[in-house]
Amino acid sequence: DGGITQSPKYLFRKEGQNVTLSCEQNLNHDAMYWYRQDPGQGLRLIYYSQIVNDFQKGDIAEGYSVSREKKESFPLTVTSAQKNPTAFYLCASSIGSGVTQYFGPGTRLLVL
Amino acid sequence: QKEVEQNSGPLSVPEGAIASLNCTYSDRGSQSFFWYRQYSGKSPELIMFIYSNGDKEDGRFTAQLNKASQYVSLLIRDSQPSDSATYLCAVSQGNNRLAFGKGNQVVVIP
Repeated sequence: DGGITQSPKYLFRKEGQNVTLSCEQNLNHDAMYWYRQDPGQGLRLIYYSQIVNDFQKGDIAEGYSVSREKKESFPLTVTSAQKNPTAFYLCASSIGSGVTQYFGPGTRLLVL
Repeated sequence: QKEVEQNSGPLSVPEGAIASLNCTYSDRGSQSFFWYRQYSGKSPELIMFIYSNGDKEDGRFTAQLNKASQYVSLLIRDSQPSDSATYLCAVSQGNNRLAFGKGNQVVVIP
């Protein structure tokens, strides 16, 4: 059963805490992406990776970090430097860059 | 900043009618265009993509692309209550990314 999984579905962050969102795909896609969606807003790109061990900043990378050690996995860490982290986080992947992106189910991050 | 604009407010259509959504983009170099549907609280799912000028039909959905005028549209024929969702327009950018519009909410009234 191929697809993109994200965990957890809901995540609560305390002040000053770093949290990591998981994204895994078994589609054999080369490219992976992290987006943030705020209510009534479109998707804003945080980071993307076109190949293992390489990634680029998107439009709103400050306060976030990523790694791409395996083709299947692209975890996102929301650091304490991100002062307004409450949002819906979406992971996506594509066969190549610039072509159709497929999305995981998302993680909703809330601040306690 | 290369932009994708979806300016229309929420669109209410009677069941069985045609819903028409428009999207304009600023990057003349864009080659690929996508429409995603997003139900409330869920992630976007791809419903159409189009690369060439003209129309592309898939079931009740038709995408229309006009690169000279830099717009792409989506028509939903015979609208059903299950079509009630937010529709996101996405446009490829030269740096191997997609730019997304803010979306248009469609409400199909039974």
